[in-house]
Amino acid sequence: NAGVTQTPKFRVLKTGQSMTLLCAQDMNHEYMYWYRQDPGMGLRLIHYSVGEGTTAKGEVPDGYNVSRLKKQNFLLGLESAAPSQTSVYFCASGPASPLHFGNGTRLTVT
Amino acid sequence: GIQVEQSPPDLILQEGANSTLRCNFSDSVNNLQWFHQNPWGQLINLFYIPSGTKQNGRLSATTVATERYSLLYISSSQTTDSGVYFCAPRNAGKSTFGDGTTLTVKP
Repeated sequence: NAGVTQTPKFRVLKTGQSMTLLCAQDMNHEYMYWYRQDPGMGLRLIHYSVGEGTTAKGEVPDGYNVSRLKKQNFLLGLESAAPSQTSVYFCASGPASPLHFGNGTRLTVT
Repeated sequence: GIQVEQSPPDLILQEGANSTLRCNFSDSVNNLQWFHQNPWGQLINLFYIPSGTKQNGRLSATTVATERYSLLYISSSQTTDSGVYFCAPRNAGKSTFGDGTTLTVKP
């Protein structure tokens, strides 16, 4: 039972490049979330999904897109990366509660 | 959305001391979690506590939902307790994080 798995663990992008972060959960959870964490701050919600085929905006959605084509996967896309998107990205899944987090993806945009 | 305020922002303790961390939130919530972020960045779930009091070893938590706050108690602190503690109240299917309390326990 792997729980919540994030791929990749680290990535360096140049400004303007695109990439997709993958989150996979094997707990059959309905809810999935993408957060970002900047230094010295708490986690801020980017996008979330309450079920397969659904997505919704969180607190800081600009510059990101998401898809939930399969219940177990939640993808976060950056179409044109900017230095302001340098951050640690966390995925989480859950029933109503509690949330289970992955170990994070450290993204640097130069 | 919900506003979350955690206090104190930083706390330095000697090993063996006790501490209380506070989380205030601005709206009614369905539930609340406390997390410990360790030095490697992993988020460890400590408590899922929508109301009442729970205990797990040296740690305990109390949530008073009607008064919109939660407390995390750490007794007999150890150096391994160091890290950042977050509360995350949940409402309308979303969890909102505070900025955390950074705890440093010195030997």
